[in-house]
Amino acid sequence: DSGVTQTPKHLITATGQRVTLRCSPRSGDLSVYWYQQSLDQGLQFLIQYYNGEERAKGNILERFSAQQFPDLHSELNLSSLELGDSALYFCASATGVHYGYTFGSGTRLTVV
Amino acid sequence: GQQVMQIPQYQHVQEGEDFTTYCNSSTTLSNIQWYKQRPGGHPVFLIQLVKSGEVKKQKRLTFQFGEAKKNSSLHITATQTTDVGTYFCADNRDNYGQNFVFGPGTRLSVLP
Repeated sequence: DSGVTQTPKHLITATGQRVTLRCSPRSGDLSVYWYQQSLDQGLQFLIQYYNGEERAKGNILERFSAQQFPDLHSELNLSSLELGDSALYFCASATGVHYGYTFGSGTRLTVV
Repeated sequence: GQQVMQIPQYQHVQEGEDFTTYCNSSTTLSNIQWYKQRPGGHPVFLIQLVKSGEVKKQKRLTFQFGEAKKNSSLHITATQTTDVGTYFCADNRDNYGQNFVFGPGTRLSVLP
């Protein structure tokens, strides 16, 4: 257990639908990062939140949005889903710039 | 934009052989972090390199940062089946947000 909790582990949904992925960072970490990993692909940075505020955006589609709540958990909302959105979505948290990311176990999203 | 490249993409070795993966960037790297992702798992932080020419060791793993901070390498001595997985390098896009750009990874297979 890395200390970063992601739910659900698996999600199967139809095209056009909307889903919400949830992440609780490791205790004490204020930052949450979302990454997308497609099959046999690397990790694509989507968005970062720090203590409730959006800090940086990466290659995140307009159909995707996220937020971080006062208790520091974060949600990634994916809407108008397409087949190409099928991927592993990882959440990570970090203590600081010298400590590396701690990743959650991911949510595997399958769009059919 | 900045790109982080890794070679080789795949490597198959016999157990006991050595393995090296290389990480290269078109621009000067800030900090380099290395991660390992086992099949079906999530990335796990291995180490961070910060200084030019830095060399760090973790048991059979040796990490090196190039003098010009444009490349890095991970060398595994006498591979074991437990070394199987994908090794990613990641460069800090900016120190403020700690948003790492991940390389595409090197997938290592170890034949017993």
